[in-house]
Amino acid sequence: DTGVSQNPRHKITKRGQNVTFRCDPISEHNRLYWYRQTLGQGPEFLTYFQNEAQLEKSRLLSDRFSAERPKGSFSTLEIQRTEQGDSAMYLCASSIRVAGANVLTFGAGSRLTVL
Amino acid sequence: DQQVKQNSPSLSVQEGRISILNCDYTNSMFDYFLWYKKYPAEGPTFLISISSIKDKNEDGRFTVFLNKSAKHLSLHIVPSQPGDSAVYFCAASTQGAQKLVFGQGTRLTINP
Repeated sequence: DTGVSQNPRHKITKRGQNVTFRCDPISEHNRLYWYRQTLGQGPEFLTYFQNEAQLEKSRLLSDRFSAERPKGSFSTLEIQRTEQGDSAMYLCASSIRVAGANVLTFGAGSRLTVL
Repeated sequence: DQQVKQNSPSLSVQEGRISILNCDYTNSMFDYFLWYKKYPAEGPTFLISISSIKDKNEDGRFTVFLNKSAKHLSLHIVPSQPGDSAVYFCAASTQGAQKLVFGQGTRLTINP
């Protein structure tokens, strides 16, 4: 078990370009999450999948953002027409229940810098 | 709408002493609370959790206390060690909800 893997770790792009991040969760976890973290803030929820179904999306997830989880395995998060305000760390997590608590295991994150 | 708040951005503690990190919440429907630790260039890692039916949970050097009437929880680390230097996040969830709501984090520095 190698944990949650995210790629790329760092992406620098120009405003207006599209970017895509990939997340490979822990294989036995059926829930997958995307969070965004900006400097000095805690992770903010973006969206959640159970298997291949996207069950919840935050209002933070504008129309320029789209997430998929084909076949219930890896997931991708695409940001179209990036803006400078999109610069953040994008965290992926997968989860399993531990004694009733939904414990998320996070990847190391993909840092996006929009110039 | 910040439902989970950590009002201390930073905390400095001497090695061997007790570290106390605090967290307040506003949503009375929250029934699970978790603490995560984050080192630079890594994702947050789970530390300890507590259910709303308990007021204390202990795991080695780490103890979490929950005061439901005050909507307040705290994480005690004793004794504090240099490796405990990290950013600590408090998180909460409601029964049946899958997402966690995080606080802003507190940067803990343990001084030798």
